Amino acid sequence: GAVVSQHPSRVICKSGTSVKIECRSLDFQATTMFWYRQFPKQSLMLMATSNEGSKATYEQGVEKDKFLINHASLTLSTLTVTSAHPEDSSFYICSASLGGDRGEQYFGPGTRLTVT
Amino acid sequence: AQSVTQLDSQVPVFEEAPVELRCNYSSSVSVYLFWYVQYPNQGLQLLLKYLSGSTLVKGINGFEAEFNKSQTSFHLRKPSVHISDTAEYFCAVRESSASKIIFGSGTRLSIRP
Repeated sequence: GAVVSQHPSRVICKSGTSVKIECRSLDFQATTMFWYRQFPKQSLMLMATSNEGSKATYEQGVEKDKFLINHASLTLSTLTVTSAHPEDSSFYICSASLGGDRGEQYFGPGTRLTVT
Repeated sequence: AQSVTQLDSQVPVFEEAPVELRCNYSSSVSVYLFWYVQYPNQGLQLLLKYLSGSTLVKGINGFEAEFNKSQTSFHLRKPSVHISDTAEYFCAVRESSASKIIFGSGTRLSIRP
């Protein structure tokens, strides 16, 4: 149980275009979803926390107008990278949590974004 | 504010040798502690977690970790490693009253035959 999927697994886009990444909890309802960014050979950096039906909470230094997060249902959150630039190329990982005091986070397989 | 330190960025060991990956944390409140493994180009898989109770936690793939509150450590151990254990390992901490997880910088475990 507790499977999280991401789509697409890899995407290449041209500079200036927008790209949407989906994160789905397949067998549970996630009250909270998280989006992380990981640069090569580095740790995961939390970008934002989203709760279903409300606006996402962004970490300091993350541009909310560039990284649009929508959490429209208990099983789906999307991250849209708007007007992508080469420096946005990275590995994006989402996680989903049941919430509550001991809510464990279940991680998706990640999406490799390359902006040319 | 909470933080996690993984002192070793890389740990090379020979196959079938024991290994310990070190993790120290700092927090002014009670915490939950985690170890995750990441294989190349994949997401994170939970190895084990400490929430409460016994300080010795056993996880998947033969790994275990011990929570030491006085030393604020949560070191990961395995008595005999395999080639398949080659991966990046992340220690993480979450304050018990919060939802956000803070990750350490990771330790790359490389196994030599």
